Amino acid sequence: GENVEQHPSTLSVQEGDSAVIKCTYSDSASNYFPWYKQELGKRPQLIIDIRSNVGEKKDQRIAVTLNKTAKHFSLHITETQPEDSAVYFCAASGEAGTYKYIFGTGTRLKVLA
Amino acid sequence: EAGVTQFPSHSVIEKGQTVTLRCDPISGHDNLYWYRRVMGKEIKFLLHFVKESKQDESGMPNNRFLAERTGGTYSTLKVQPAELEDSGVYFCASSKSWGVEQYFGPGTRLTVT
Repeated sequence: GENVEQHPSTLSVQEGDSAVIKCTYSDSASNYFPWYKQELGKRPQLIIDIRSNVGEKKDQRIAVTLNKTAKHFSLHITETQPEDSAVYFCAASGEAGTYKYIFGTGTRLKVLA
Repeated sequence: EAGVTQFPSHSVIEKGQTVTLRCDPISGHDNLYWYRRVMGKEIKFLLHFVKESKQDESGMPNNRFLAERTGGTYSTLKVQPAELEDSGVYFCASSKSWGVEQYFGPGTRLTVT
């Protein structure tokens, strides 16, 4: 079945360092890959997304890369700040004709001041 | 623009009881989704409405779960009778179309004792 694997499950970095979260998806038909950030007690919010016709996308300190051949995509956060601490979820669009997202299990990022 | 709202924020019920969760999507969003996150696992798709029609019910666990979206506005998700394994956070999301941000609500934390 469709699934998305996400690693690591927890990640602690020093403020100012970079953080990388990796995901692998199973359905070759997936062509849209959003990343959500969920701060404690708040709703998941989209922080960046990428489509399958693009290999990389950047927005200030956040970037996402996609390797369609390997079915891998990754989130890169540079110059991390304490407010980056949250749970991050990767997702992949479901099979053709569906609108659902298949989510990873989440990564709890802790940025240490 | 008001965001997706969900009610209640928390619900504690006993096994065998009935609970109804409500979701109000962003005005103008025809697409409404229900997801669930159980015990720190992935956010799992339950179903997708387009206006009042169920477009994809592939994630509904069993027939104890009933979702409705009368009139194509707000949606309800009823669990009857509730079982222990139904505990988790139920998220609602809405979007204008495919491949654009799905806006999430804050979730309803359901605890079945």
